[in-house]
Amino acid sequence: QQQVKQSPQSLIVQKGGISIINCAYENTAFDYFPWYQQFPGKGPALLIAIRPDVSEKKEGRFTISFNKSAKQFSLHIMDSQPGDSATYFCAASDTGRRALTFGSGTRLQVQP
Amino acid sequence: EAQVTQNPRYLITVTGKKLTVTCSQNMNHEYMSWYRQDPGLGLRQIYYSMNVEVTDKGDVPEGYKVSRKEKRNFPLILESPSPNQTSLYFCASSRGLAGGETQYFGPGTRLLVL
Repeated sequence: QQQVKQSPQSLIVQKGGISIINCAYENTAFDYFPWYQQFPGKGPALLIAIRPDVSEKKEGRFTISFNKSAKQFSLHIMDSQPGDSATYFCAASDTGRRALTFGSGTRLQVQP
Repeated sequence: EAQVTQNPRYLITVTGKKLTVTCSQNMNHEYMSWYRQDPGLGLRQIYYSMNVEVTDKGDVPEGYKVSRKEKRNFPLILESPSPNQTSLYFCASSRGLAGGETQYFGPGTRLLVL
């Protein structure tokens, strides 16, 4: 089964700090890498996504960094806020696939 | 409001008692799917549907059935639930195939099989 490996499993960051979550994939055919954010009691929601033709994508305080040669991508949350406390999932797919392959999730807690 | 709805949100049942979890979307999406979420395993796809009357297996289809008789509805059926199907279930929809399209998830159904 194609895998996406995510780390760390949990993360505690102080308010204003930088949160970094890493993912690694195996399938070189993957060409779409989204991050989903999930609050307790809710379904996941798309946060930000990247395609491998760029090495970085930024939306507000959220940045995806992508390293195609290393088959790794990461989510950086700048100036982390308590409202960012949630579970974050990386995922990957290739155009034409029927499903996203999700990482195992990272539970982020931002302390005030 | 554009949304994916699931019912019930919580369900406790016993081994072998057939159950159905409903899913409905109001975005006229072609593609719908079911995932289960388990600690440490992320979300794994159970079944998906490309359109009405077109369904196929995902990564973990054993013990589940689906149907797509209407574009907006995609129920998940457990004909003989077992304790290993205790999980959090999510329905999702998108305009097209999962690769490259934003998946819109429902609020989840937490199932406990005794």
